[in-house]
Amino acid sequence: QVQLVQSGAEVEKPGASVKVSCKASGYSFTGYYMHWVRQAPGQGLEWMGWMNCNTGDTNSAEKFQGRVTMTRDTSISTAYMEVSRLRSDDTAVYYCAGEDCSGGSCHQSFDYWGQGILVTVSS
Amino acid sequence: QSALTQPASVSGSPRQSITISCTGTSSDIGSYNWVSWYQQHPGKAPKLLIYEVSNRPSGVSNRFSGSKSGNTASLTISGLQAEDEADYYCSSHTSSRTYVFGSGTKVTVL
Repeated sequence: QVQLVQSGAEVEKPGASVKVSCKASGYSFTGYYMHWVRQAPGQGLEWMGWMNCNTGDTNSAEKFQGRVTMTRDTSISTAYMEVSRLRSDDTAVYYCAGEDCSGGSCHQSFDYWGQGILVTVSS
Repeated sequence: QSALTQPASVSGSPRQSITISCTGTSSDIGSYNWVSWYQQHPGKAPKLLIYEVSNRPSGVSNRFSGSKSGNTASLTISGLQAEDEADYYCSSHTSSRTYVFGSGTKVTVL
């Protein structure tokens, strides 16, 4: 079955960068889009960006443009997201979520989710 | 892009039906049939319930149904059960090829 397994929790200082990973299994990695969604403590979901795992094309929410970089390594079916210039309000659980486009069309939804990674930004 | 508007909380008794609304604009919900709904239990990752306004993925109970009218989408939970107590989020594709989530609704089973 489809599984997205994310890397472990991170603690970073303000101004630093963090790179989180999301390893996919159980499906054709390049047949999906990968989205990144975050959730600050006690808050709602916030969409950050998507990456076409086949072409590497990306798009992100305006507030994250210039600060978020999404990449992938198709040889190991793993997607990455790096957030730079971290601030305290970047403290959140970060999820990867796969969108199934393998049938030739996409549902424009987040079909499968990773378990989430807590990133804490603190001095 | 502002979050879609959902009621903060909705409650109902077991076996009742409840409806959660999700209001956007003509740049998101009003222009696309790409509205999806998610259920999130405390400490867990969200789970897809509905995609493309009204379609259920395999394995999702038929007690969950979705609809849309104009700039507002809705999720109905029929035959409410204790396990349905969770947070629910809507999401929509937008005109700038991005996505936006709703503010979230806490469902309480009385």
